[in-house]
Amino acid sequence: DQQVKQNSPSLSVQEGRISILNCDYTNSMFDYFLWYKKYPAEGPTFLISISSIKDKNEDGRFTVFLNKSAKHLSLHIVPSQPGDSAVYFCAASSGSARQLTFGSGTQLTVLP
Amino acid sequence: DTGVSQDPRHKITKRGQNVTFRCDPISEHNRLYWYRQTLGQGPEFLTYFQNEAQLEKSRLLSDRFSAERPKGSFSTLEIQRTEQGDSAMYLCASSLGQGAYSPLHFGNGTRLTVT
Repeated sequence: DQQVKQNSPSLSVQEGRISILNCDYTNSMFDYFLWYKKYPAEGPTFLISISSIKDKNEDGRFTVFLNKSAKHLSLHIVPSQPGDSAVYFCAASSGSARQLTFGSGTQLTVLP
Repeated sequence: DTGVSQDPRHKITKRGQNVTFRCDPISEHNRLYWYRQTLGQGPEFLTYFQNEAQLEKSRLLSDRFSAERPKGSFSTLEIQRTEQGDSAMYLCASSLGQGAYSPLHFGNGTRLTVT
């Protein structure tokens, strides 16, 4: 049972436009949500997070939105840049161990 | 602060052999995690240490897998009698386990190929 789902395996966006990556979850116990970016041959790099008590968090070009009633979160990147091309993973955290449950990732390609 | 370091980067082994991976976390981080990632999937949780204590293990961690974190510093993950299904990227992560939520910081992983 996949508790965190990213239904779009890939997304292509023109440079300068907005990229929107989506993620759905099923476990109501998740209380912290994160986005990681991964380049080939590297480990995932933390990008941005949001607590379940908030519905929006912004950091520069990156904004994460959380809709708890829909169990849905999204990552907006604006403006998109070619260097943003990577696999983006959505992750959710719960419990005292704060382990993360990851989605399967979305490959973002930003076209110049 | 050089980040989370993992060694080796790549390991090719024959089925049935034992392998050991090492992880050096960020120095002030007291929490250490092991994850496994296969092609097309996100990382999957294997086990977690708070200082030197192993506090949680996934059901993915069979009896052939053992992890240690002596003295609460570096950690090792050993796989005994490797099987082809063990081929994956093994990721280590660390975080601060106190105060406000602290994101996990990942190393670049050890890619294991079992032939």
